[in-house]
Amino acid sequence: EAQVTQNPRYLITVTGKKLTVTCSQNMNHEYMSWYRQDPGLGLRQIYYSMNVEVTDKGDVPEGYKVSRKEKRNFPLILESPSPNQTSLYFCASTTGVGNEQFFGPGTRLTVL
Amino acid sequence: AQKVTQAQTEISVVEKEDVTLDCVYETRDTTYYLFWYKQPPSGELVFLIRRNSFDEQNEISGRYSWNFQKSTSSFNFTITASQVVDSAVYFCALSEDDTDKLIFGTGTRLQVFP
Repeated sequence: EAQVTQNPRYLITVTGKKLTVTCSQNMNHEYMSWYRQDPGLGLRQIYYSMNVEVTDKGDVPEGYKVSRKEKRNFPLILESPSPNQTSLYFCASTTGVGNEQFFGPGTRLTVL
Repeated sequence: AQKVTQAQTEISVVEKEDVTLDCVYETRDTTYYLFWYKQPPSGELVFLIRRNSFDEQNEISGRYSWNFQKSTSSFNFTITASQVVDSAVYFCALSEDDTDKLIFGTGTRLQVFP
């Protein structure tokens, strides 16, 4: 089944404790992105990647890192999480510009 | 600058009523793409439709229909004979030709009561 998977689905952590949210897609898509969803703000892009080893900042990259060492994986790293990073995070992948984006199931992160 | 506005924060209807969700967008590009996604209470994002800027034909899919009007920069979504299962948050989104980034509106929460 074609899908985007994310882990963990739920995470409660404390300020400053490094964490990684994994994202994997099995559709051989070149483009992958991370979004965060906050009430009243919709979804905003954090980082994106157009191919292996090619990543760039989206609209809200502060406090996040990403890497793209393999085509299928695009982990999101929070080196020192803060409470303002409490949010619902979505990973997405697509074949290219203008095409449907396939979203993962979301990761609900709470930073205390 | 690119922007998507969904002015209706929340809409409540009774089952079988028709409902239209509004979406207004801003872009300087001549080539762009518009999307609607549904987010049910379970939280996942479900793709509904994609339209490119050169295709102004309206589309109907079952009880769903979309009205794309470039003259008013709108891409409205109508649900005919709404059902309780239509209760969800609906997002309109825009992407431009040089990026895969989706610019989302703030969403419209639709509640359909039996």
